[in-house]
Amino acid sequence: DAGITQSPRHKVTETGTPVTLRCHQTENHRYMYWYRQDPGHGLRLIHYSYGVKDTDKGEVSDGYSVSRSKTEDFLLTLESATSSQTSVYFCAIRFGTEQETQYFGPGTRLLVL
Amino acid sequence: AQKITQTQPGMFVQEKEAVTLDCTYDTSDPSYGLFWYKQPSSGEMIFLIYQGSYDQQNATEGRYSLNFQKARKSANLVISASQLGDSAMYFCLAGGTSYGKLTFGQGTILTVHP
Repeated sequence: DAGITQSPRHKVTETGTPVTLRCHQTENHRYMYWYRQDPGHGLRLIHYSYGVKDTDKGEVSDGYSVSRSKTEDFLLTLESATSSQTSVYFCAIRFGTEQETQYFGPGTRLLVL
Repeated sequence: AQKITQTQPGMFVQEKEAVTLDCTYDTSDPSYGLFWYKQPSSGEMIFLIYQGSYDQQNATEGRYSLNFQKARKSANLVISASQLGDSAMYFCLAGGTSYGKLTFGQGTILTVHP
C-alpha cells in the first residue's frame, strides 16, 4: 500500500460547474502527478508537481489547474467542467530515486452532464 | 518527447502457457526507464516491472520478465505460466526526465483461457 488516496471516488456534475479532486499521500513524497484515462488513450498526464507550490503542465492541461500548498495534498481543479472532461482521473506518486516507479491512487470517476 | 507503441490491441493465451506483449518506444532522452503496469477490470494500476536504459541485464520479477532490445527500441513483457488472474489490460510506459514524467502506450488486453 503506497499510502495514496483520492477523493471523491465518484462524482457527477453539470457542465459549467467547478470541480476539485483531491489526492492525498501519507509518505511525504516529493513528486505527484494527475492523469486522465479515456478509452483508446491509455493514461495521459495532466499536471505534475515536484514540490510544494512547484507544478508544471503535462500533455493535456487545458481546462485544468492544480495546487499544492502542502506536501501531502495535490489538488486538481476543473474551473468550468465540460462533457469532454468526463473521464477517470488517477493521481500518482513517485517512489525512490533510481527506479522512478510511480504508484497510483484508486482513481476518481467523473461524469459531466 | 517519448512515444510508446503497443501494436496488439488484444491477446489470447491458454492457461499455463507463456505470452509476450509487444512494446516499442521512441525517445530522444539519453537515459530513460521502461515500465509495465497491469490494470485489471477493477481499475487500479499495478506496477509490474522496470528496466533502466543502462541496465545490462533484462529485468525479471517473478513470472514477469522484460525482453529489452535497446537497438530495436523494444521492451516486450513476457509472462510465463499464465494464470486466469493475469487477464487484464497491460500498459507499457517510458520515462526519461528528471521530473519522472511518464508516457503511456495504448495498452493490450490480455485474456487467459482455462
